[in-house]
Amino acid sequence: EVQLVESGGGLVQPGGSLRLSCAASGFIFSSYTMNWVRQAPGKGLEWVSYINGVGNAIHYSDSVKGRFTISRDNANNALHLQMNSLRADDTAVYYCVRDRREQLGFWFDPWGQGTLVTVSS
Amino acid sequence: DIQMTQSPSSLSASVGDRVTITCRASQTITSYLNWYQQKPGKAPTLLIYAASTLPSGVPSRFSGSGSGTDFTLTISSLQPEDFATYYCQQSYSTPWTFGQGTKVEI
Repeated sequence: EVQLVESGGGLVQPGGSLRLSCAASGFIFSSYTMNWVRQAPGKGLEWVSYINGVGNAIHYSDSVKGRFTISRDNANNALHLQMNSLRADDTAVYYCVRDRREQLGFWFDPWGQGTLVTVSS
Repeated sequence: DIQMTQSPSSLSASVGDRVTITCRASQTITSYLNWYQQKPGKAPTLLIYAASTLPSGVPSRFSGSGSGTDFTLTISSLQPEDFATYYCQQSYSTPWTFGQGTKVEI
């Protein structure tokens, strides 16, 4: 069974840092592009970042570029998101999400259960 | 960035109703359109990919159609477990973007 389990969320002050992790199991982790998608309380979904299987292709949304860093550890089947200079509008549930890419395109499947990040003084 | 606009933002329906949700892209995305279902307090799950393909395990009462800029999600006969929020998402170009969501309520 494919599983994605996030950890590392919590309460942090504005300007602070936090590192999220995602433990993957049930599939060949290094073969898949991985993403972080977030959802502010009561709001919709916002894609944050992706990293390809070998880690040499990375992309960020404009809202986090220069502040967040995505990385992966294929030896330990783990995905990370280092978040610096956090702001109140970064408050959200952060989901670890696997890419499924085929000739028809790509889609997000599955999603982890999410970890809540709260930025507040 | 490609903007995705869903309508309506919310709707009220009854068990057995036929429900249609639309999603419009700000530019052509061919068939690179996915739908997700999210129940309260839960992570989203994939409902339809490539505009009209159902993953295994998704009930056949769900269907998707469209190409270019206009897409539709249809639930042919609403069931109690279908009350949720539905999101469309384009996978044509980065940044990958979602619609604002459609909440289906009783």
